[in-house]
Amino acid sequence: KAGVTQTPRYLIKTRGQQVTLSCSPISGHRSVSWYQQTPGQGLQFLFEYFSETQRNKGNFPGRFSGRQFSNSRSEMNVSTLELGDSALYLCASSAQGATTEAFFGQGTRLTVV
Amino acid sequence: GQQLNQSPQSMFIQEGEDVSMNCTSSSIFNTWLWYKQDPGEGPVLLIALYKAGELTSNGRLTAQFGITRKDSFLNISASIPSDVGIYFCAGQSLNNAGNMLTFGGGTRLMVKP
Repeated sequence: KAGVTQTPRYLIKTRGQQVTLSCSPISGHRSVSWYQQTPGQGLQFLFEYFSETQRNKGNFPGRFSGRQFSNSRSEMNVSTLELGDSALYLCASSAQGATTEAFFGQGTRLTVV
Repeated sequence: GQQLNQSPQSMFIQEGEDVSMNCTSSSIFNTWLWYKQDPGEGPVLLIALYKAGELTSNGRLTAQFGITRKDSFLNISASIPSDVGIYFCAGQSLNNAGNMLTFGGGTRLMVKP
C-alpha cells in the first residue's frame, strides 16, 4: 500500500511569489491535514480537509489556503511569499473521522529567498 | 493555543541504555501519538494511545496515556544507534472533531555506539 506522497520535495521561490504544494493521501483515506515545521516554531497545524471540506483551521494568515479534490488529493497554496514562510510543509492522511492515526508524507522543503 | 511541553529537549546516551521522555499539557487530550522523525523526512508513527491509563508496546518501545489525560510518556529499552532521531508527542483534543494534532517540541536522541 503506497504511503502519503508529497510533491515537489524541494522548492525555491522568491519573496512575493505564490506556491502550490500537492499531497496524495494513502488510498482510502479521506482526511488530509497540513502542518508547517520550522526550527523556531516546531510543528504547527495549518488546516484539515475531509470529504472536500475544510474541517479545521490553525492560526495562520489568509495567505495560506488549501483545497481537497473528490479523490481526496489535496493542495495547499501560499500567496505573497515571505522569508518566514521557509519551512518543511508536511501533509498527513487519516482513514476517516476523528481519533485516528495520522500518517505523514516526506514533506516539501520550501525555501523563500 | 494549546501547547505540549516535551522533555527532555535532547538526550545523549550510550548504546544499550534505556530512554524515557514525556509530554505534559494543561489541557485534556483524548488521543496521544508518538512519532519519530529522521533528518529530511516526515514523522513516522510509532505508537497511538486512545484510553487513559493505556500502556502500549511496539517492540522496544512502550508508551502510556496518563490517567489524567494530560500527559504521556515514551520509553525505549536497550537503545541502538538507529534509534537516533527526533521524537515527537502529539495530542488530539477532546473538543476537536477532526484530525488536528498539537505537537510537543521534540526530544532529540543521540546514541553513542
